[in-house]
Amino acid sequence: AQSVAQPEDQVNVAEGNPLTVKCTYSVSGNPYLFWYVQYPNRGLQFLLKYITGDNLVKGSYGFEAEFNKSQTSFHLKKPSALVSDSALYFCADYYNQGGKLIFGQGTELSVKP
Amino acid sequence: GAGVSQSPRYKVAKRGQDVALRCDPISGHVSLFWYQQALGQGPEFLTYFQNEAQLDKSGLPSDRFFAERPEGSVSTLKIQRTQQEDSAVYLCASSLNGEPGSPLHFGNGTRLTVT
Repeated sequence: AQSVAQPEDQVNVAEGNPLTVKCTYSVSGNPYLFWYVQYPNRGLQFLLKYITGDNLVKGSYGFEAEFNKSQTSFHLKKPSALVSDSALYFCADYYNQGGKLIFGQGTELSVKP
Repeated sequence: GAGVSQSPRYKVAKRGQDVALRCDPISGHVSLFWYQQALGQGPEFLTYFQNEAQLDKSGLPSDRFFAERPEGSVSTLKIQRTQQEDSAVYLCASSLNGEPGSPLHFGNGTRLTVT
């Protein structure tokens, strides 16, 4: 079965430092991987996706993610964190049978000034 | 509208009451999804429509949950005889065509509290 795992419940970063939010996937075949962000009392917002092509994917708000097939990972990164990046981040995998996205448990990112 | 609209924003129901949650997807979006999100958890898939056809309802937790999209646009998620474990945020999302690369656009959700 396809699934994604986010090993960290929380990530703390100082403003201006680089940030990484981790995601690993478990799938047979080619994964379709996504990152979403959720601010308090809001729905999820699409950040970026990997379908095929370049392993480094660039998305909204300066975020990028690197697809690593050998490590089955799709970590979210940003070179310089902002306080406003503080939110809940979800990795998701597209489950081919049924056309649905399966989400990880989420990682809370906290960026301190 | 510009985005996915869900109503009501908050709903408090007494245990045993029926509730109906509404979703207005982005105009022209073919696919519509319902997810349930418990506090501090990731969204859990409930059901999925392609136009008016309900293609997957494998995530509905019990036969008390029912969803419909009769004209292929607005959708309603109905929960009968609500239980406390139904308390959660219910998220609706739509996508242009349901293809794997087509991102989901989410509404702000309906927070259901069953007392």
